[in-house]
Amino acid sequence: DVKVTQSSRYLVKRTGEKVFLECVQDMDHENMFWYRQDPGLGLRLIYFSYDVKMKEKGDIPEGYSVSREKKERFSLILESASTNQTSMYLCASSLAAGSASFTVYEQYFGPGTRLTVT
Amino acid sequence: QQQVKQSPQSLIVQKGGISIINCAYENTAFDYFPWYQQFPGKGPALLIAIRPDVSEKKEGRFTISFNKSAKQFSLHIMDSQPGDSATYFCAATNTDKLIFGTGTRLQVFP
Repeated sequence: DVKVTQSSRYLVKRTGEKVFLECVQDMDHENMFWYRQDPGLGLRLIYFSYDVKMKEKGDIPEGYSVSREKKERFSLILESASTNQTSMYLCASSLAAGSASFTVYEQYFGPGTRLTVT
Repeated sequence: QQQVKQSPQSLIVQKGGISIINCAYENTAFDYFPWYQQFPGKGPALLIAIRPDVSEKKEGRFTISFNKSAKQFSLHIMDSQPGDSATYFCAATNTDKLIFGTGTRLQVFP
């Protein structure tokens, strides 16, 4: 059974704290993604990684950074948490495009981390 | 040009009815259009997807209708059941990165 796990389901942090959100996938996927989900705004891509140590900015990277030291692990870092970063954070992984399969673009999501910054 | 517009934001349907969610896109280079389903407390999961070389794809009670000239696609849920109550996201892409719609919260009442 394929799996994407996230380190915490719920997290409460104070303004200015450094926050680490961890994501691990067991499917040997090349691609990993971090999204935030807010009501009425859908899923917005924060960062994307297509290989170890490689990263690409998504639509809303400001205030975030990422780290991918191992293929299976992708971390999202909030350098100095702010109240406007209170949100649901979702990690996903997928095979890389170019595979000879219709499902190459399917993304598998973790259960999410609900982060509250007070 | 990268946006995917989704409507309605919420939908209430009676059990046995048809649920219809619509999406529109601008980028004609998009070549893959999935729908994701998300239950409360869970991450989204792929429900059904279509390529633009077909106008319709059906899997059980779920059907995607695709109109390439209008740059629109929709999800139809036939015989809607309370277990279908979830948030549905359309998406589009021609790369590794999905562009998601804003989501539709569907509630099916018995």
